[in-house]
Amino acid sequence: EPEVTQTPSHQVTQMGQEVILRCVPISNHLYFYWYRQILGQKVEFLVSFYNNEISEKSEIFDDQFSVERPDGSNFTLKIRSTKLEDSAMYFCASYREYGANEQFFGPGTRLTVL
Amino acid sequence: ELKVEQNPLFLSMQEGKNYTIYCNYSTTSDRLYWYRQDPGKSLESLFVLLSNGAVKQEGRLMASLDTKARLSTLHITAAVHDLSATYFCAVDMRETSGSRLTFGEGTQLTVNP
Repeated sequence: EPEVTQTPSHQVTQMGQEVILRCVPISNHLYFYWYRQILGQKVEFLVSFYNNEISEKSEIFDDQFSVERPDGSNFTLKIRSTKLEDSAMYFCASYREYGANEQFFGPGTRLTVL
Repeated sequence: ELKVEQNPLFLSMQEGKNYTIYCNYSTTSDRLYWYRQDPGKSLESLFVLLSNGAVKQEGRLMASLDTKARLSTLHITAAVHDLSATYFCAVDMRETSGSRLTFGEGTQLTVNP
């Protein structure tokens, strides 16, 4: 069964460093999302991406964040200068098409900023 | 701004008992999702509720949706230890927000032997 994959599963970085989190959505999906979950808290929407551009972003998604789909299969989230408060689990999700019933989530990347 | 509220946030119950988790949301939506999350793991889709009056059941879990009341329930029947997890509801505001999901705070369920 097709699934969303994410790498790495755990990333440890120093404050101020850049990190790139990678996702491979399900191959025929067209809508892509990043969510984050700070430990013990709820899942929060960061950004949605369709047709090679951001379609919506939350107030969390500030200038330190960027997304891209560099090669038609990977979908990446970059944090330019990490802060302690960026420590969280980051989930990638994808939809097959607008009107599809289910958003499929990847296994997540745990980001720890020291 | 859409708000999604779950209660209770913490639930400790005995095996064999029944209980209901509630999910209220603040604006009109016709799609509601329930997810299960085990510690340190991803979100496992349990139910997708697409219309008013929708009811779905899988094993000991049953979910329902009342769009008029903006309320969904997740009912647990004869709980077993394996159901211990955190349960999230999420609302899809696809007409106004491109299918972003807004999640509730989660209900941490512990089923005791």
